[in-house]
Amino acid sequence: QAVVTQEPSLTVSPGGTVTLTCGSSTGAVTSGHFPYWFQQKPGQAPRTLIFDTGNKHSWTPARFSGSLLGGKAALTLSGAQPDDEADYYCLLSYSGPRVFGGGTKLTVL
Amino acid sequence: EVHLVESGGGLVQPGRSLRLSCAASGFTFSDHFMDWVRQAPGKGLEWVGRTGNKAYSYITQYATSVKGRFTISRDDSKNSLYLQMNSLKTEDTAVYYCACIRGNTGYWGQGTLVTVSS
Repeated sequence: QAVVTQEPSLTVSPGGTVTLTCGSSTGAVTSGHFPYWFQQKPGQAPRTLIFDTGNKHSWTPARFSGSLLGGKAALTLSGAQPDDEADYYCLLSYSGPRVFGGGTKLTVL
Repeated sequence: EVHLVESGGGLVQPGRSLRLSCAASGFTFSDHFMDWVRQAPGKGLEWVGRTGNKAYSYITQYATSVKGRFTISRDDSKNSLYLQMNSLKTEDTAVYYCACIRGNTGYWGQGTLVTVSS
């Protein structure tokens, strides 16, 4: 089973920009891994932000964007707000089976 | 409005079985693949498995950690998803979420807690 890696923690200033990444032990992440990004706040269920690399749901704030960057999937937050402080998880598909990354704890400070 | 409501969690002894259910509403359940995801206390998300829809012959796939012990099924006539968990271990203790996360769908339930302890 593949291992998906994320930064354990990141800090961003209010109004600032931060990029979270999602790598795969099997090699470069591609659109064929159908990368997803989720946000989870304490005591809440996860919320889907990004699907299939860079597509947003209707509820996804415009300040979030997804892409492929340097062989990894990336989630960029531009104009961070205090409400964005949360855990963020990526999910990759491997021709069927799926694997979550370990999550990134994002602090807005 | 989409709703996914899990039920069936609780305290169970190691080695015993438990069946979780997920009731879906607000979308065409039968069209969609469905996943189970779990989260151990204080830990990250772990993908448990998924079932396809009728067009994909209800294919099922599982994480290595649960393969051979857990079985996912669905009843499209009842808009329901199930997770049969056998030979439970203490490390299966987690909140279990059902989710519809494929393509442009991104729905999650609120989860049900399963505690495996003697």
